[in-house]
Amino acid sequence: DQQVKQNSPSLSVQEGRISILNCDYTNSMFDYFLWYKKYPAEGPTFLISISSIKDKNEDGRFTVFLNKSAKHLSLHIVPSQPGDSAVYFCAASARNYGGSQGNLIFGKGTKLSVKP
Amino acid sequence: DADVTQTPRNRITKTGKRIMLECSQTKGHDRMYWYRQDPGLGLRLIYYSFDVKDINKGEISDGYSVSRQAQAKFSLSLESAIPNQTALYFCATSVPPTDTQYFGPGTRLTVL
Repeated sequence: DQQVKQNSPSLSVQEGRISILNCDYTNSMFDYFLWYKKYPAEGPTFLISISSIKDKNEDGRFTVFLNKSAKHLSLHIVPSQPGDSAVYFCAASARNYGGSQGNLIFGKGTKLSVKP
Repeated sequence: DADVTQTPRNRITKTGKRIMLECSQTKGHDRMYWYRQDPGLGLRLIYYSFDVKDINKGEISDGYSVSRQAQAKFSLSLESAIPNQTALYFCATSVPPTDTQYFGPGTRLTVL
């Protein structure tokens, strides 16, 4: 059973507009969430993270929002740029539980296309 | 220079062959991981190691083995490759307390 779900396989956005990528999770033990970006022929690169003690974390054009009651997080990219076109993976871990619980569980990814 | 390197970057092999994928890191991290990525399935954990003497199975370890030769080196072996092991393979490292993982560039493996 999928513990981390990204229900939209793809998203297309116009340059300059906002991109919103969504992620849902089922395991209430998850306390740390991350977003990774992946270009073709490269490994995933860490983008931004959020701890469960926060509901928002911002880094430049990227903001992650966490709604613990809904077990939902989202990544906002404002403004979107063509170079943001990539696959975005959501990941979660139960970091405070230690050991293997701290391993990341990944969603299946959302392919973002930003059109000029 | 890249912090996490993987060799080879591409490999085509035949069913039944033994294959080794290698990962090296200069980040000084104790924790290392092997993942595979299949289209539409995201990243799935094969094996992980929290230090040189620690090896653990992940979600999909059947058909794979690993060796942690040193803090900086973690190798993945396919003892007898089969076509459904065709995938992208990624190595990653992390360090507590955040355990944010940093990935290598990947190895594209094709088993004919």
